[in-house]
Amino acid sequence: DTGVSQDPRHKITKRGQNVTFRCDPISEHNRLYWYRQTLGQGPEFLTYFQNEAQLEKSRLLSDRFSAERPKGSFSTLEIQRTEQGDSAMYLCASSPTSGESYNEQFFGPGTRLTVL
Amino acid sequence: AQKVTQAQTEISVVEKEDVTLDCVYETRDTTYYLFWYKQPPSGELVFLIRRNSFDEQNEISGRYSWNFQKSTSSFNFTITASQVVDSAVYFCALSDLESGGSYIPTFGRGTSLIVHP
Repeated sequence: DTGVSQDPRHKITKRGQNVTFRCDPISEHNRLYWYRQTLGQGPEFLTYFQNEAQLEKSRLLSDRFSAERPKGSFSTLEIQRTEQGDSAMYLCASSPTSGESYNEQFFGPGTRLTVL
Repeated sequence: AQKVTQAQTEISVVEKEDVTLDCVYETRDTTYYLFWYKQPPSGELVFLIRRNSFDEQNEISGRYSWNFQKSTSSFNFTITASQVVDSAVYFCALSDLESGGSYIPTFGRGTSLIVHP
């Protein structure tokens, strides 16, 4: 399978705990995006990387959220001191910057976070 | 201001009916991209189409067709002879340079399509 993969698929945690999610993009894609999706809403942009550089962050990304893409391949999204409002589906997408699929985002299956 | 409006929250049809999902967008850029994605119950967003602002040709792909009209800032999606497997949430998205030069898409709230057998 050469699509975008995310791990874990589901995470249940207690309020105040830290959680970390991983995303493995399609290997030749140099852009990687993180989104959050709550029930009844479309995905909301959180941040994106071009290679290892984090180029944009949404106002939605509070200080408790941090994302990394250290070698320009996989990425991690960490949420510190989770709150119940963080409960959502966290989606990762990747895209190429050239070619026929330029600017087309390929999404992973998401990580569903439940904060109790 | 909302950049992508999908006014239809939920549409319910019977199999074999045609159905049109509306999408109205807002941008000040002359260069932008429009997308449609499908999100079935399994949750993974599936890319359906991308259209750039300079290409107003309508497109047909099997039972799917898209009508892009810059004059009304609309990019509507029609499914002909709907099938139960078309049941999903459909998202329209816009990416433009207003997102800081990175063409980061803004998604609408989605339209839930339910196709009954």
